[in-house]
Amino acid sequence: NAGVTQTPKFQVLKTGQSMTLQCAQDMNHNSMYWYRQDPGMGLRLIYYSASEGTTDKGEVPNGYNVSRLNKREFSLRLESAAPSQTSVYFCASSADSEYSYEQYFGPGTRLTVT
Amino acid sequence: DAKTTQPPSMDCAEGRAANLPCNHSTISGNEYVYWYRQIHSQGPQYIIHGLKNNETNEMASLIITEDRKSSTLILPHATLRDTAVYYCIVSALMNRDDKIIFGKGTRLHILP
Repeated sequence: NAGVTQTPKFQVLKTGQSMTLQCAQDMNHNSMYWYRQDPGMGLRLIYYSASEGTTDKGEVPNGYNVSRLNKREFSLRLESAAPSQTSVYFCASSADSEYSYEQYFGPGTRLTVT
Repeated sequence: DAKTTQPPSMDCAEGRAANLPCNHSTISGNEYVYWYRQIHSQGPQYIIHGLKNNETNEMASLIITEDRKSSTLILPHATLRDTAVYYCIVSALMNRDDKIIFGKGTRLHILP
């Protein structure tokens, strides 16, 4: 049981390049999330998916797209990377049962855009 | 904006209880109090949550005041591995429009 996994762990992009961050969970959770964390800051929600086939915007969605490929996988795409998107990206999932809403986080992807 | 207020940093001696306060004076009746922590460079880790009753698990205790406007996370015997940023969050359970918002949290330093 790996929990939440993210690939890649590190990435350096040049301005204007595109890339997709991958996230997968093996806990059969319904909801999945993408956050970004800038140095010295808390996490900010980019997008979330309450179930397969649905996605919704969070606090900071501009410049990103997401795909909930199936129940296990939720990917985040940067179409044209900008230096302001330099950050650590965390994926999370939650079961959303009647009694519990805690999120389980992956190890993060450290992205630098030059 | 985060719905909670926490001190930016705290120190605690190893082996003592660490008491982390959180103010959430605008909490609604259907909102839970959640605590997470983030050890350096890792993803946040869920600790505990509660509605109005005090809660305890293997990691910590959560004390919520009767008016629910504030709470305290207690780590009963702090160790050096508890050094982390602790986030207090209020969120309505199963409310898809009430997204969990992480503020800046409290940076807890456990001193040897």
